[in-house]
Amino acid sequence: AAGVIQSPRHLIKEKRETATLKCYPIPRHDTVYWYQQGPGQDPQFLISFYEKMQSDKGSIPDRFSAQQFSDYHSELNMSSLELGDSALYFCASSLQGQHSPLHFGNGTRLTVT
Amino acid sequence: QQQVKQSPQSLIVQKGGISIINCAYENTAFDYFPWYQQFPGKGPALLIAIRPDVSEKKEGRFTISFNKSAKQFSLHIMDSQPGDSATYFCAASMLSNTGKLIFGQGTTLQVKP
Repeated sequence: AAGVIQSPRHLIKEKRETATLKCYPIPRHDTVYWYQQGPGQDPQFLISFYEKMQSDKGSIPDRFSAQQFSDYHSELNMSSLELGDSALYFCASSLQGQHSPLHFGNGTRLTVT
Repeated sequence: QQQVKQSPQSLIVQKGGISIINCAYENTAFDYFPWYQQFPGKGPALLIAIRPDVSEKKEGRFTISFNKSAKQFSLHIMDSQPGDSATYFCAASMLSNTGKLIFGQGTTLQVKP
């Protein structure tokens, strides 16, 4: 079965640079979620999109932005990167309004040096 | 403030034994309680989930016990196997938004052969 695809798997950036993470949800899933997981930490909800509109917002820094496109893929844009942004970034998808479970991708490991 | 508290932080169990992980939550508005399993370098994968209208749910070797009055729930892994060695996260959300999960801090389980 098709899963959530994230790219790239690994990304190394320097402080103050920008990064773009991509997420391709499971086919027919209309809702995308972004989570951040620091080393040894639990995943923290950042933001979600339903039908290309932002549906909820969590602890996402103002330096980060995201969007969902017409093909339902999503991108997380991160600017003015800081050392503390080094983390695993997970995308997850589900069907809105169906009480459907969340399916996570394997994440993008971002390292800021 | 951790809305979902998980214990223990780490657990070592012999093969064939029972692994028990406990979680407690604060927000009585939560009505969806999933457990996720995460292997190194992978995204969290849904194991089993429960709603507060039932006190127990079993799927194979995995059982969730739920105590609504105490605001606690636990995961029991029967006949634990070395392949169960992973990090386990409990989580909570509202059924109206099952994708916006509040995770516990995680439990690293090691099953010794």
